[in-house]
Amino acid sequence: DIVLTQSPATLSLSPGERATLSCRASQSVSRYFSWYQHKPGQAPRLLIYDTSKRATGIPARFSGSGSGTDFTLTISSLEPEDFAVYYCQHRSNWPLFTFGPGTKVDIK
Amino acid sequence: EQVQESGPGLVKPSETLSLTCTVSGGSMSGYYWNWLRQPPGKELEWIANVRDSENVNYNPSLKSRVTISLDTSKNHFSLKLSSVTAADTAVYYCAREGSAYNYFDFWGQGTLVTVSS
Repeated sequence: DIVLTQSPATLSLSPGERATLSCRASQSVSRYFSWYQHKPGQAPRLLIYDTSKRATGIPARFSGSGSGTDFTLTISSLEPEDFAVYYCQHRSNWPLFTFGPGTKVDIK
Repeated sequence: EQVQESGPGLVKPSETLSLTCTVSGGSMSGYYWNWLRQPPGKELEWIANVRDSENVNYNPSLKSRVTISLDTSKNHFSLKLSSVTAADTAVYYCAREGSAYNYFDFWGQGTLVTVSS
């Protein structure tokens, strides 16, 4: 089974800074890679799907990239509402979905 | 599109956990509807999905205890998890799978279900 590892576990940054979140797969995977934002008590929010496609209504400061085993979510300039937990997700063996453990982006 | 989980927050060990997800703001037809969960301090786990009576899928690790069903006339789908233990304590989420099938584009806020006597 494919395992997703996210780093760092916590990222402490200030508003306006650039955030780079990493997700590594235990083996090479397809482009069906997604990222979600999750705030306490709220529904998780789809940010990126198919590695680099922004979901409807997602601001351009969010971007995704990667291939093979290494995938990245970049937030170009953090806004106050961006402080949250971010999860990566991949669908490797249909119909199973696999999630990473999450990266918490908090205010420095 | 909105989805919202509902059901008991406390279930006794060995009993059956039953949850419903109500869908509003759009049609259920043609989409896969999913249940996921996240135990405290652990990762998100996909449980099952359903599109119609012929397209139902389960996580093999839970398949023997899980039933997912769909009622498009009532705009909802449901989850039943039998013989629960403390390990089934989690926040349970319902979610719609996107039209390309490999991601979740709408999620509920989640409902905490605790298994305890």
